[in-house]
Amino acid sequence: DQQVKQNSPSLSVQEGRISILNCDYTNSMFDYFLWYKKYPAEGPTFLISISSIKDKNEDGRFTVFLNKSAKHLSLHIVPSQPGDSAVYFCAASAREYAGNMLTFGGGTRLMVKP
Amino acid sequence: DTGVSQDPRHKITKRGQNVTFRCDPISEHNRLYWYRQTLGQGPEFLTYFQNEAQLEKSRLLSDRFSAERPKGSFSTLEIQRTEQGDSAMYLCASSLDGSYEQYFGPGTRLTVT
Repeated sequence: DQQVKQNSPSLSVQEGRISILNCDYTNSMFDYFLWYKKYPAEGPTFLISISSIKDKNEDGRFTVFLNKSAKHLSLHIVPSQPGDSAVYFCAASAREYAGNMLTFGGGTRLMVKP
Repeated sequence: DTGVSQDPRHKITKRGQNVTFRCDPISEHNRLYWYRQTLGQGPEFLTYFQNEAQLEKSRLLSDRFSAERPKGSFSTLEIQRTEQGDSAMYLCASSLDGSYEQYFGPGTRLTVT
């Protein structure tokens, strides 16, 4: 069963507007969440993270929101830029997991149109 | 560049052959991970090392797979008797002890014909 789900395989947004990428999880043990960005032919690049003790973390144009009761998190990119076009992966981990191994969602392809 | 590096970047092999991949982590990172990613999916955890000790293996890691990190620095992942289902991107990541953030290499894309 998929413990981390990204239900939108793709998202298209106009340059300058907000991009909102969503992620749902089922495992209550998860206590840390991360977003990674992946360009073709490259490995995932760490973008931003949030601990379960917070409900928001912001870094420049990127903000992650966590709703623990709904087991839902989202990544907001404002304003979106063409260079943000990539596949975005949501990942989760738990303190109890050996080595803090990551469980990934299936990814959302973001296309930012000029 | 002091990021995670992987070699080779691409490998094409015939079914039944053995292949070995190498990963060099960020030098001060004592944790090293291997993940596998197939088309349209997110990376899936395979195994993890704390220094030279292999501490966790996924059920995805069949007995044809073996990983080593002999001196706690670089790591190798070997697949014996490759099958077409092994075709995937193999990703290596490293992190500091206790940190959740993992830093990935560019991956090795394996194609089994």
